[in-house]
Amino acid sequence: EAQVTQNPRYLITVTGKKLTVTCSQNMNHEYMSWYRQDPGLGLRQIYYSMNVEVTDKGDVPEGYKVSRKEKRNFPLILESPSPNQTSLYFCASSRLPPTEAFFGQGTRLTVV
Amino acid sequence: QQQVKQSPQSLIVQKGGISIINCAYENTAFDYFPWYQQFPGKGPALLIAIRPDVSEKKEGRFTISFNKSAKQFSLHIMDSQPGDSATYFCAASRNSGAGSYQLTFGKGTKLSVIP
Repeated sequence: EAQVTQNPRYLITVTGKKLTVTCSQNMNHEYMSWYRQDPGLGLRQIYYSMNVEVTDKGDVPEGYKVSRKEKRNFPLILESPSPNQTSLYFCASSRLPPTEAFFGQGTRLTVV
Repeated sequence: QQQVKQSPQSLIVQKGGISIINCAYENTAFDYFPWYQQFPGKGPALLIAIRPDVSEKKEGRFTISFNKSAKQFSLHIMDSQPGDSATYFCAASRNSGAGSYQLTFGKGTKLSVIP
C-alpha cells in the first residue's frame, strides 16, 4: 500500500529536550516536505526537499532542522523545542513537479 | 505575507445545497491550483486540481472555477452531503527557482453539511 508513515503519532515533551519525528514514504517520490497545522493558520510549510541531500526552507523554518540522506526518509528535528512549537505536524511526499501530495497521518506534538 | 487567501473560515450548508469556497492569490508565478480535503484525525488528501490555462474543471459533484485575470479560484460542491463535512484547503504551487517548487496552502474552510 502506498503511504507516508510518520512516527510518533503523539508526543509530549519538555522544553529544550531534543526530539525527532520520522517520516518515510514507499512511493519513490522525489519531493518531500513538512508542514505544521495550527487553528486559524492552516498548513504552513516548514522545510521541503527536492531530492537526496537537497533541502530548502519553507515559510516557517525557525527552530527546525531536516535531513534527506535517503530518498524515502525525511526526519524533522527539533533541537531545542519550545512551547510555541506545540502543533500538529504533517509530512508529505509527491513526484516532481509536486502536483498530488500524499500526506501522513500527522504527529501531534505538545511541548510543556 | 499570506500568499493564498481563503474564505470563508467556516461554512454551514443544508444537505442538497451548494457549498462555495473562495481563494485568491497574488503571485502570478503560481501554475497549479489544487484543493485538498481533510477529515478529522487524517492528513489532507487531494480532491481536485486545475491549471491556469483552464477556466473550469469538474469531477463529479466538485467543480473548480478559475479566473486568471482576477487571480481567484473557487471550489463548488453541488448537492452537498453530510459526508462532505470536512476542512477544505486551497493551495497554489510554483517553481521557486533552480527547479525548486513550493506548495502554499490557504488557511482552510471548515464545512459542515447539516441534514
